[in-house]
Amino acid sequence: GESVGLHLPTLSVQEGDNSIINCAYSNSASDYFIWYKQESGKGPQFIIDIRSNMDKRQGQRVTVLLNKTVKHLSLQIAATQPGDSAVYFCAENLMTTDSWGKLQFGAGTQVVVTP
Amino acid sequence: DAEITQSPRHKITETGRQVTLACHQTWNHNNMFWYRQDLGHGLRLIHYSYGVQDTNKGEVSDGYSVSRSNTEDLPLTLESAASSQTSVYFCASSAWTGATDTQYFGPGTRLTVL
Repeated sequence: GESVGLHLPTLSVQEGDNSIINCAYSNSASDYFIWYKQESGKGPQFIIDIRSNMDKRQGQRVTVLLNKTVKHLSLQIAATQPGDSAVYFCAENLMTTDSWGKLQFGAGTQVVVTP
Repeated sequence: DAEITQSPRHKITETGRQVTLACHQTWNHNNMFWYRQDLGHGLRLIHYSYGVQDTNKGEVSDGYSVSRSNTEDLPLTLESAASSQTSVYFCASSAWTGATDTQYFGPGTRLTVL
């Protein structure tokens, strides 16, 4: 499949445990954040998003936390499953009319789920 | 179901040849994007379009061009392929809502320039 990156930070998680993936974003004016999942040989897949006026948002088995004070974003995956093995990366956007679609992507974290 | 497709999925070409990668979306999104993904660089924006007849350069646009003649398609052309353009290319689309800017990605095209 398509190469995603061989030099990414790797998080090894045992099946059934919770995963926490961290992302430090660059622009304090960013207003919108997204987490994507990319499996080998596939395109990035939307997981969850959050606006800067929130500090937490929950989805199905996933929770995103936003700490604007330290410009930190995290993705928590509950009860990690083998199908969660993938590269996860965050993206940020200023959400101004000058920045439509200009998502700034992080480098990504490789999550490996072990039995 | 709405989707975004890319073709071909794999392409091998020679230096100096013109190559066109196709992207087609059925989301009816106004915004479309082309990225390349390389080891150590993550996703980098090549070109983007906010609607028919609109095109804009991204951060790595040299050697690439796009055209938008309808809502559904944004083909990416490499005018004269170079080995440095060997990469995985992703197309994406989004609908600006003012509150969200979620981009939906295609499956990618792996391009090798020999």
